[in-house]
Amino acid sequence: QKEVEQDPGPLSVPEGAIVSLNCTYSNSAFQYFMWYRQYSRKGPELLMYTYSSGNKEDGRFTAQVDKSSKYISLFIRDSQPSDSATYLCAMKNNQGGKLIFGQGTELSVKP
Amino acid sequence: NAGVTQTPKFQVLKTGQSMTLQCAQDMNHEYMSWYRQDPGMGLRLIHYSVGAGITDQGEVPNGYNVSRSTTEDFPLRLLSAAPSQTSVYFCASSVTGTFGGGSGNTIYFGEGSWLTVV
Repeated sequence: QKEVEQDPGPLSVPEGAIVSLNCTYSNSAFQYFMWYRQYSRKGPELLMYTYSSGNKEDGRFTAQVDKSSKYISLFIRDSQPSDSATYLCAMKNNQGGKLIFGQGTELSVKP
Repeated sequence: NAGVTQTPKFQVLKTGQSMTLQCAQDMNHEYMSWYRQDPGMGLRLIHYSVGAGITDQGEVPNGYNVSRSTTEDFPLRLLSAAPSQTSVYFCASSVTGTFGGGSGNTIYFGEGSWLTVV
């Protein structure tokens, strides 16, 4: 079993929809949780970062961490065609720990 | 400020050939790393370096060598290419050893190198 599981999709939604992207993990020691966005033929870029449990909001994006369920989510409100990309979750157990990535979810937002 | 620069962007190799993927960063980052990305597998760490002269293995190091003679450069060498090394390779760098996220330390990725071994 992979340490981090992410539904690869693809996920297709109409413009303006609310998108929910999720990852589950097995290592209870993970404390740092990140979401990366990767456009086609490009490298990943950091989108959101959360430490421990709770929510974090940045514009149309909200990251949630539920450590009791070992489950993290990224919500995108009012999705736009420019949000079409692959979204990767990543996590690690401490400041010096190695980053473990999920498989990535491919999202397509249709105009 | 170019960030992380990888070359070549695309390469086709024959089985058994060797080659080097180049990576350079101009942000004076101490930490650099190489990942490979395969369908359904996410990003997997190959090798990393915590500073010039210091390297260590990641999750999938077999078949690859690295060296770090300067802060700026971190080349990845394929010693004898195999079809299983067909992948997209990403070089990344960050300020400290936190390898991404946390306290403002962002990990910066290059644009990737697409390698096909036939």
